[in-house]
Amino acid sequence: EAGVTQFPSHSVIEKGQTVTLRCDPISGHDNLYWYRRVMGKEIKFLLHFVKESKQDESGMPNNRFLAERTGGTYSTLKVQPAELEDSGVYFCASSQVGVIQYFGAGTRLSVL
Amino acid sequence: AQSVSQHNHHVILSEAASLELGCNYSYGGTVNLFWYVQYPGQHLQLLLKYFSGDPLVKGIKGFEAEFIKSKFSFNLRKPSVQWSDTAEYFCAVRSGGSQGNLIFGKGTKLSVKP
Repeated sequence: EAGVTQFPSHSVIEKGQTVTLRCDPISGHDNLYWYRRVMGKEIKFLLHFVKESKQDESGMPNNRFLAERTGGTYSTLKVQPAELEDSGVYFCASSQVGVIQYFGAGTRLSVL
Repeated sequence: AQSVSQHNHHVILSEAASLELGCNYSYGGTVNLFWYVQYPGQHLQLLLKYFSGDPLVKGIKGFEAEFIKSKFSFNLRKPSVQWSDTAEYFCAVRSGGSQGNLIFGKGTKLSVKP
């Protein structure tokens, strides 16, 4: 069984540019989560999808971040325009109801 | 607000030494507790979890953790570490039901000297 896959593994962009991160969850997992770890800090929750619906987006930092999950399969997280403080590692996780969250390897975003 | 505190930022041990990583959480209700590990270059993996029942839980690779409700703690232990245990360890708590998000501590880097 394939795990949670994230693309790209590393992205380097300049301030003001746009970046789109992608997450492919484990097949059949309705729940999809995005987290972010800024250097030196804890991993923080961004938002949670159940199928294609946003269940909880209380962790999204501001309206420069837009997450979608069309068709309830893969998800994208777009940052537009990117700022320096957006740098960090973005993790995606998926789960079935009431079970463990399985994480991807993360996307390291560097905003210069 | 709920939070998770990991006591050590970086722990350095020699092989065969015993390990205990501290984790405390702040939440008064029912919680699910987790330890995740991230080996260099790999994704976060679940080491063990506590949902209910026996407060001493055993995980993969010889790790165990003890839930002490009165102390709001969930410390991770291993009697004898190996070089391959070098990794970053994260304690996490989930509240708000089985679909709730995880709240992580800042992580503890473990370096095991051969």
